[in-house]
Amino acid sequence: QITLKESGPTLVKPTQTLTLTCTFSGFSLSTNGVGVGWIRQPPGKALEWLALIYWDDDQLYSPSLKSRLTVTRDTSKNQVVLTMTNMDPVDTATYYCAHRRVGAMIFDYWGQGALVTVSS
Amino acid sequence: QSVLTQPPSVSAAPGQKVTISCAGSSSHIGNNYVSWYQQFPGTAPKLLIYDNNKRPSGIPDRFSGSKSGTSATLGITGLQTGDEADYYCGTWDSSLSSYVFGTGTRVTVL
Repeated sequence: QITLKESGPTLVKPTQTLTLTCTFSGFSLSTNGVGVGWIRQPPGKALEWLALIYWDDDQLYSPSLKSRLTVTRDTSKNQVVLTMTNMDPVDTATYYCAHRRVGAMIFDYWGQGALVTVSS
Repeated sequence: QSVLTQPPSVSAAPGQKVTISCAGSSSHIGNNYVSWYQQFPGTAPKLLIYDNNKRPSGIPDRFSGSKSGTSATLGITGLQTGDEADYYCGTWDSSLSSYVFGTGTRVTVL
């Protein structure tokens, strides 16, 4: 059974760096083909894909946010960490991590989401 | 910011059918598989359809997907009040090397 859960601060100030952790179980990020993605959703708005990290540590980023994002993995802890710099109020959103199906760009299991508010 | 266009809302009476369109281009829908996600208010999205028309285990066959050219469609037959949710299409954009979601569609059961 695959589960994921996001954790991190609920409130960050403008210009600060956000660090979110995705802790997962039911799969290993060392297994060939596995990936974990990050997706966010501002209140009342659509989903936006942010980043993806693969089993081989290859990373993909949204072109529009690439300069601000870093995603890393800790296979021993079954965790993936998303870092977003220079936070702005427009970055207020629920941030989700999700399991990418092996060999396909499909997000088949999602975490419950973590609401992050950016405000001074 | 979404590159995939969906109607903001669709509605129908219980038992009826609704279809949701997802319009894109050759850089994404035209050359990649499409997934659909269902999201109830305050909850995480859930995979509903993948590879254009396949249903994960546990998804009833009232939900169907199709793709033609640069557009995809989600169909819901035998509409139930429990189907009231937001629905998003998603696919890979080969030119951007980025995953893209649709603008989202709210389904309302009248």
